[in-house]
Amino acid sequence: QLQESGPGLVKPSGTLSLTCAVSGGYLNSNNWWSWVRQAPGKGLEWIGEIYRSGTTNYNPSLKSRLTVSLDQSKSQFSLTLTSVTAADTAVYYCARVGGATKGPFDIWGQGTMVIVSS
Amino acid sequence: SFVLTQPPSVSVAPGKTARIPCGGDNIGSKSVHWYQKKPGQAPVMVINYDSDRPSGIPGRFSGSNSGNTATLTISRVEAEDEADYYCQVYDISSDHRVFGGGTKLTVL
Repeated sequence: QLQESGPGLVKPSGTLSLTCAVSGGYLNSNNWWSWVRQAPGKGLEWIGEIYRSGTTNYNPSLKSRLTVSLDQSKSQFSLTLTSVTAADTAVYYCARVGGATKGPFDIWGQGTMVIVSS
Repeated sequence: SFVLTQPPSVSVAPGKTARIPCGGDNIGSKSVHWYQKKPGQAPVMVINYDSDRPSGIPGRFSGSNSGNTATLTISRVEAEDEADYYCQVYDISSDHRVFGGGTKLTVL
């Protein structure tokens, strides 16, 4: 089970921070843990991901503003996106990549809506 | 980075077969995964590794992948299949994951 949490409203130029709680003690398993978003009326966009070792991969269009981190002790991983604009308004999902690195997103959180507005 | 191309929309009558293509350069060499996305719900994986169907997904859903096109096929389409469908791959050359633009399936 995955569960996103964080502020639903962020001011322009501010920082968006979300956390994904991973139940079942699976955060230390052989999986990548990803963030995906969907802006209103748009398609799914992969944001970035982290492995249990702390290795990260980021969408190049967001890389300069993005940090994905891991807290094994709390069984959660997080997303931090700086200098946000209205274009970052979206539903944000955390998801697990199942099996091999090239595997599918097999478990998803329910998603959390983030609005960037003053 | 790797680009996946999907038609914006596909329409089909109930009981007929819907085919949703996903184009990409030599996509046949990659593993393609498909997701169903309904409004207000999280995406659901309906096909993984080109043609494997997860448990709980109806047998009406199938997939194929060859050359420059992967295809999601939905046989005997039902009203509940109306949704957006996304293809997705892992691009090993860049260590990035990529989604297609999505296809809205309309059941007439």
